[in-house]
Amino acid sequence: KQEVTQIPAALSVPEGENLVLNCSFTDSAIYNLQWFRQDPGKGLTSLLLIQSSQREQTSGRLNASLDKSSGRSTLYIAASQPGDSATYLCAVLNSGYALNFGKGTSLLVTP
Amino acid sequence: DGGITQSPKYLFRKEGQNVTLSCEQNLNHDAMYWYRQDPGQGLRLIYYSQIVNDFQKGDIAEGYSVSREKKESFPLTVTSAQKNPTAFYLCASSIEVGLAKNIQYFGAGTRLSVL
Repeated sequence: KQEVTQIPAALSVPEGENLVLNCSFTDSAIYNLQWFRQDPGKGLTSLLLIQSSQREQTSGRLNASLDKSSGRSTLYIAASQPGDSATYLCAVLNSGYALNFGKGTSLLVTP
Repeated sequence: DGGITQSPKYLFRKEGQNVTLSCEQNLNHDAMYWYRQDPGQGLRLIYYSQIVNDFQKGDIAEGYSVSREKKESFPLTVTSAQKNPTAFYLCASSIEVGLAKNIQYFGAGTRLSVL
């Protein structure tokens, strides 16, 4: 069974710092890996999707990488802002239907 | 505006009662999903549906039931058999199941509590 782990569980940084969130998974036979953002009490917003054949994806200040062979992905956030404060979830798609989620990293960016 | 609408936002269940959570999408997506989120936990799949009149159990289907009579609607019923229903329930949809480019879009969620 696919296990998805996110480290750290929580992170607090001052505004302006660059930061890295980590995600690891045990079964490398994936279709894709997705990073989501969740604000408190809200649904999920898709940030980036990396297909299994890709190495990275970028959107604005966000960059996600994928090393399928080692079962790892990182989400890099450049020049963090207080508005980036949220929980970030990593999920992998192994079969045709279900995303397997990590427990998330709770990020707080302080002014 | 295209999107996924979940209602109600908050729901309270009395012991022994069945309750139904609504999920409607106007994205013309084929596949729809129901996830459960517990505090500090990742999302877990309850049920999913690839097409109308077809649905499959996920990892934690016991105590739940669904229907898919219309493409845009995928309601979830939490039955009295679900002994620990307190959680945040999220509905999602995607264009087609199984593609590497498959992105799941989520609704705003329903928070269910037991009275």
